[in-house]
Amino acid sequence: DTEVTQTPKHLVMGMTNKKSLKCEQHMGHRAMYWYKQKAKKPPELMFVYSYEKLSINESVPSRFSPECPNSSLLNLHLHALQPEDSALYLCASSQVLGSGPGNTIYFGEGSWLTVV
Amino acid sequence: AQSVTQLGSHVSVSEGALVLLRCNYSSSVPPYLFWYVQYPNQGLQLLLKYTSAATLVKGINGFEAEFKKSETSFHLTKPSAHMSDAAEYFCAVSPPAGNKLTFGGGTRVLVKP
Repeated sequence: DTEVTQTPKHLVMGMTNKKSLKCEQHMGHRAMYWYKQKAKKPPELMFVYSYEKLSINESVPSRFSPECPNSSLLNLHLHALQPEDSALYLCASSQVLGSGPGNTIYFGEGSWLTVV
Repeated sequence: AQSVTQLGSHVSVSEGALVLLRCNYSSSVPPYLFWYVQYPNQGLQLLLKYTSAATLVKGINGFEAEFKKSETSFHLTKPSAHMSDAAEYFCAVSPPAGNKLTFGGGTRVLVKP
């Protein structure tokens, strides 16, 4: 099983709403990632967790708040977003942090977020 | 810092023709290089990766790529395109001990019957 599952697949939220994106993997991976992908653009790294601890924050605005409650789950809490935050949010995981020969990064299918 | 440049944001090929997608990298240390494919409305799937072993890397779905240090390139090829190859392809780079995957701008492949 090489699956990263993301929910919901689509989310529409107002600028004053609070919502969350969820990501789950059962591959025993200890590194999990959030990427943001705007239309017709490549994915951009937002956050990296390693062993449930935040390892990288790519200067993401505080209206995005990640959480890793356990080794299988990764959440992205959303609050007071702007319309320009509308994008595809991709979750990914790998065995450990880094890109060594045996360490493949697996991506989920993403959550499409629209901020109105 | 590392970066990748994909030449050509769109490539159109006929079914059965050679697919060639170009990727050049910039890195201060020997990098690891990857090709990912993204089908419409889906996430990214790893096609193949170079991690300093063999310079010719074979991936899934008949794709392969060759690492050429002298040209700082990692071009992706497939001898015969299928309709199912229509997708967005991303080249990506990471340092060997790295913790950050940096993507190129992507190349959208259109396959004509």
